[in-house]
Amino acid sequence: AQSVTQLGSHVSVSEGALVLLRCNYSSSVPPYLFWYVQYPNQGLQLLLKYTTGATLVKGINGFEAEFKKSETSFHLTKPSAHMSDAAEYFCAVSDHSATNKLIFGTGTLLAVQP
Amino acid sequence: DADVTQTPRNRITKTGKRIMLECSQTKGHDRMYWYRQDPGLGLRLIYYSFDVKDINKGEISDGYSVSRQAQAKFSLSLESAIPNQTALYFCATSDQGSSQETQYFGPGTRLLVL
Repeated sequence: AQSVTQLGSHVSVSEGALVLLRCNYSSSVPPYLFWYVQYPNQGLQLLLKYTTGATLVKGINGFEAEFKKSETSFHLTKPSAHMSDAAEYFCAVSDHSATNKLIFGTGTLLAVQP
Repeated sequence: DADVTQTPRNRITKTGKRIMLECSQTKGHDRMYWYRQDPGLGLRLIYYSFDVKDINKGEISDGYSVSRQAQAKFSLSLESAIPNQTALYFCATSDQGSSQETQYFGPGTRLLVL
């Protein structure tokens, strides 16, 4: 069965600093991995996803993530945080079946300090 | 206009009451999902539907029921609400059902059961 672990339920960075949100997965098959963002009082929005091919995936708003099979990781990064990045971020793995079920991590709340 | 809409956005009800949360989508997707979000637990799947005639239980379906009235509409009912069903509920849609497919989320319904 697939699972996702997000290390750090709360992360705080200064504006302009590097953002690093950690995600480790467990999967018995090659994983399909997703990062979603939830802004206050809004639904989830896809940031980026990895399916196959290039292991460095670029998403919206300057975010990117690198799939590292040897480390079973899919960490999300952004070189320079902006105040508008303050949100909750969820890593998810597909259950790899035709049902397209997503297994979500518990989320990381990102705060950006001025 | 939003592609996935949910009504109501906020609801307060009392223990034992029956309530319905509604979801509509204009994306033309076949697949629809209901999740609940609890602080520190991420999102958990309640029910999902592949088409109007195909309804499936997710990991936490007890105490809930659903109705797929049309391709575009998927309703979640709490037959007799209880306080531990207080949560944020999200509807999502996806196309085709491939495990690579992005799920698109509505804005959520915040439910408080007193």
